[in-house]
Amino acid sequence: AQSVAQPEDQVNVAEGNPLTVKCTYSVSGNPYLFWYVQYPNRGLQFLLKYITGDNLVKGSYGFEAEFNKSQTSFHLKKPSALVSDSALYFCAVRDEGAGSYQLTFGKGTKLSVIP
Amino acid sequence: NAGVTQTPKFRILKIGQSMTLQCAQDMNHNYMYWYRQDPGMGLKLIYYSVGAGITDKGEVPNGYNVSRSTTEDFPLRLELAAPSQTSVYFCASSPEGWNTIYFGEGSWLTVV
Repeated sequence: AQSVAQPEDQVNVAEGNPLTVKCTYSVSGNPYLFWYVQYPNRGLQFLLKYITGDNLVKGSYGFEAEFNKSQTSFHLKKPSALVSDSALYFCAVRDEGAGSYQLTFGKGTKLSVIP
Repeated sequence: NAGVTQTPKFRILKIGQSMTLQCAQDMNHNYMYWYRQDPGMGLKLIYYSVGAGITDKGEVPNGYNVSRSTTEDFPLRLELAAPSQTSVYFCASSPEGWNTIYFGEGSWLTVV
């Protein structure tokens, strides 16, 4: 079975500081990993994905994520946080070998960027 | 750039009533999904479809039904609404089963 964990319910960071939102996963095969962002009362917006290739993935709005197979992690990072980055962030995983189309989401991490 | 369109945005239902949440996508995606989002619980898959005429259950299908008569449309039917179905519902689509999923703006449903 595939699963994903976001160990922090909330992350607070000062504007201009680097931010990290953590994600770990569990799959039996190769993982397809995704990050989404949700602003209040809106749908989820796609940020970036890892399917194969380079472990460092660059996405929208200056975000990037590093795939670490040995630590089964896919942490989301940004060098300099903006107040407008404040939102709910979801990590999601699909197991390539599971034969399922289901994308399993974490419970979300609320990011607050403090001016 | 419509993408995935859901209606209605907000709805209040009484216990035992039925309703249909509409979903349409204009990206010619084969795969479509219905998720529900409850606070602190992430998203749970209700039903999905891999193409017109083909649907399958997800993680939490009880109390819901779907149909997929066209590539574009994927309505979600709630029969005999219960308070436990109070949630935010998201329709989504993807070009392939393994690829990025694109979400609609959501439908807020309250059952009282």
